[in-house]
Amino acid sequence: EILMTQSPATLSVSPGEGATLSCRASQSVSSSLAWYQQKPGQAPRLLIYGASTRATGIPARFSGSGSGTEFTLTISSLQSEDFAVYYCQQYNNWPPITFGQGTRLEIK
Amino acid sequence: QVQLQESGPGLVKPSETLSLTCTVSGGSISRYYWTWIRQPPGKGLEWIGYIYYSGSSNYNPSLRSRVTLSVDTSKNLFSLNLSSVTAADTAIYYCARGGFFPAAIFAMDVWGQGTTVIVSS
Repeated sequence: EILMTQSPATLSVSPGEGATLSCRASQSVSSSLAWYQQKPGQAPRLLIYGASTRATGIPARFSGSGSGTEFTLTISSLQSEDFAVYYCQQYNNWPPITFGQGTRLEIK
Repeated sequence: QVQLQESGPGLVKPSETLSLTCTVSGGSISRYYWTWIRQPPGKGLEWIGYIYYSGSSNYNPSLRSRVTLSVDTSKNLFSLNLSSVTAADTAIYYCARGGFFPAAIFAMDVWGQGTTVIVSS
């Protein structure tokens, strides 16, 4: 099973600033990585797949990068609606498909 | 647009079987990978398994002995059965769609709102 580790656990950022979230895989997952955003009381929403491709309707301020074992989600100019929990997910080696433990992005 | 709706009992007794259904509306169940994911209270996401519209499936090894997924294409729905439940199975259960992106069949682009299941006597 591939272990996904996200850092930091919590990130405090002011609105208008940028944020960088990291995700590391215990072994290579190529570019088979997705990022999700989850707000309280809601289901996760797909942001990025293939490590760097934005899903339909996702604003350009969200960008993903990386391959192999190191991945990054960058959010430029944070809006109030961006404060949420973010999860990475690998789908290269399965079963099982695995998620990171999440990074909570909070308002500073 | 495609919408998913989970349904089933919100309370299940220990040792019994948890049964949930996900109804697909606004689109066909065909050609996609239909997935169940759960989230214990205050915790992260756990992949339970998927079923393809043709009926082929795959499960999380940690749950394989207790999970059965099925699909009914005539009714546009798929179902989850989880047997011998314990308190550790208390979670929000989500159904989701994969396969919309051909090169990323397990990037899940449509999710149900989730249904809370509590295991308690």
